[in-house]
Amino acid sequence: SQQGEEDPQALSIQEGENATMNCSYKTSINNLQWYRQNSGRGLVHLILIRSNEREKHSGRLRVTLDTSKKSSSLLITASRAADTASYFCATNQVTGNQFYFGTGTSLTVIP
Amino acid sequence: GAVVSQHPSRVICKSGTSVKIECRSLDFQATTMFWYRQFPKKSLMLMATSNEGSKATYEQGVEKDKFLINHASLTLSTLTVTSAHPEDSSFYICSAKSTTNQPQHFGDGTRLSIL
Repeated sequence: SQQGEEDPQALSIQEGENATMNCSYKTSINNLQWYRQNSGRGLVHLILIRSNEREKHSGRLRVTLDTSKKSSSLLITASRAADTASYFCATNQVTGNQFYFGTGTSLTVIP
Repeated sequence: GAVVSQHPSRVICKSGTSVKIECRSLDFQATTMFWYRQFPKKSLMLMATSNEGSKATYEQGVEKDKFLINHASLTLSTLTVTSAHPEDSSFYICSAKSTTNQPQHFGDGTRLSIL
């Protein structure tokens, strides 16, 4: 399977705390993207980081990419109860153009 | 932002029925579309990658005769689950993108229930 791995599988924090999720993948990529999914719903695109980029910010989100380690992290600062969702990383493969998802992290932010 | 429309959102049908799911990019030309299957509380599993005007590339273990994919235009791809059985019940999601290094945009998914 080409699916990436995410950790932790589940994360529970208090509102206002920061949440960090990690993603590892297996092959060379064009880019890596992070998504959120509320239960039973479609996916919402959060941020895209290209293979030649190391860090990107968008509002309360900070994404890093280390292509030498084939890993990425998503940091959500000052979390809110509305951030409760599943978060997935996904990689666009250089060879074949496939787009594979990680296993996901279930985030619960307690008010 | 870019919008991908997936239809229908929910299908309930009898075993043996064939079901077609449509995925449309509404405001951009999608050179590549992807079809995924998602089980409850699990991640998305890529079924196939579809480039406009060519045959879909199926992932290992996905039966191409069971899951027929057509990407006849730059704005439409269809997934047909042929002779569906209860084990095909799942959440199916499509996505589309225009070029490399552009975000994927996802449909809202189709919940398929085979009785």
